[in-house]
Amino acid sequence: DIQMTQSPSSLSASVGDRVTITCQASQDISNYLNWYQQKPGKAPMLLIYDASNLETGVPSRFSGSGSGTDFSFTISSLQPEDIATYYCQQYDDVPRFGPGTKVDIK
Amino acid sequence: QVQLQESGPGLVKPSETLSLTCTVSGDSISTNYWSWIRQPPGKGLEWIGYIYYGANTNYNPSLKSRVTISVDTSKNQFSLKLSSVTAADTAVYYCARGGGYSNGWFDYWGQGTLVIVSS
Repeated sequence: DIQMTQSPSSLSASVGDRVTITCQASQDISNYLNWYQQKPGKAPMLLIYDASNLETGVPSRFSGSGSGTDFSFTISSLQPEDIATYYCQQYDDVPRFGPGTKVDIK
Repeated sequence: QVQLQESGPGLVKPSETLSLTCTVSGDSISTNYWSWIRQPPGKGLEWIGYIYYGANTNYNPSLKSRVTISVDTSKNQFSLKLSSVTAADTAVYYCARGGGYSNGWFDYWGQGTLVIVSS
C-alpha cells in the first residue's frame, strides 16, 4: 500500500502570507497527485490535479508542484476564505488521501 | 453542470447493511468513474470504491469483503451497500465523480450524508 504523509498537520498564518504544505508518498507515484480544499461541513473541492494542473475556476494563488515521492502545495497570498483543511490524494494504486493540513488565520 | 445527491437512511443498526444511493445529473452514469468516499466525524477521507462504464468495479482492499457498488442506468444512479456495519462505519458518506486510472481526481462531489451506526 502507498502511504501518504502531510506536513505540517496544522498551521497559522497571516493574511497575505505565502503558505506551503508538503505531501510525501511512500513510493514513486509519478505525478498522480491531487489537492483538495475542505471547509467545515462541506464536501472537499478539487484544486490541483496531476500535481500541478489548476482546476478550472480555482484562483491562481493556488499552485502545486513535485513528482515521484515529494510534492508541495502553495497559497501565494493567504486570504481569509482560504481557511480550511487541505488534503493530498494519490491515485497510483487505489485512491488514498493524506491526513490533511488545517490552515488558520493568525 | 454535473450534480450529485446522496440519499438513504441516516441511522443503521450494528450488523445490518448500510445502503445509499447517489443520483447524478448533468453526466451519464454509463461513462466515467463514479466513487464513494467516507469521512468519520473529525477525521480524514477514505475512498471506498468505484464503478465505471456502468459495470466494472474496484474496491478499497480494506473494505472489499463488505462493499458492493452497483448502477441503475435507467435512473442515472449508483448505489453503495456496506454489510455488517459497526460503529466504526459511522461517517459522512460522499459520492463523487472520478478516482479511476484515467482521471484519478474527484472533480464533482455530492454534499454528503451522515450515517450513524447505533442500536
